[in-house]
Amino acid sequence: EVQLVESGGGLVQPGGSLRLSCAASGFTFSSYWMSWVRQAPGKGLEWVANIKQDGSEKYYVDSVKGRFTISRDNAKNSLYLQMNSLRAEDTAVYYCARRVGVLGGIYFDYWGQGTLVTVSS
Amino acid sequence: SYVLTQPPSVSVAPGKTARITCGGNNIGSKSVHWYQQKPGQAPVLVIYYDSDRPSGIPERFSGSNSGNTATLTISRVEAGDEADYYCQVWDSSSDHQVFGGGTKLTVL
Repeated sequence: EVQLVESGGGLVQPGGSLRLSCAASGFTFSSYWMSWVRQAPGKGLEWVANIKQDGSEKYYVDSVKGRFTISRDNAKNSLYLQMNSLRAEDTAVYYCARRVGVLGGIYFDYWGQGTLVTVSS
Repeated sequence: SYVLTQPPSVSVAPGKTARITCGGNNIGSKSVHWYQQKPGQAPVLVIYYDSDRPSGIPERFSGSNSGNTATLTISRVEAGDEADYYCQVWDSSSDHQVFGGGTKLTVL
């Protein structure tokens, strides 16, 4: 059974940093692109970042470029999101998601339960 | 960047058919995927590649995509279908995933 379990969320002051983790199990983690998707309170889904199987390619939504870094450790079956210079608008539930599909159609077939990040003074 | 437009809300009586649209410029040339999200839960994939259903998703859920509109159709709607529904496409030029704003389905 595929499982994705996020951790690391919490309350942080504006300008602060936080590192999210996602522990994956039930599948060959190193064979899949992985992603982070967030959802602000009462709002819709927003894709945040992607990382290729070997970590050689990374993509970010414009609003987090230069502040967030996605990474992975295939030996530990873990995905990470380092978040720096946090802003109030980064407040959201952050989901780890497995990315699948072929060119022309990419989607998320499994999601974690999410971890809440609150940026507030 | 590519924009997907969904109606904020759709209401339907139990047993009837709900149709949730997702508009985008020439969206028919892209693959569209749909997610269901119930309050306090993570999203669940219900349709991929326009009209394919993951295992475990009832046949009542179907999808179509043509022109500038993709549609998620839920037949014989049940109270348990009440949720937010999101469409999603992949922007190949930037490797970004784009979500629609979401539609709240209310079962009357």
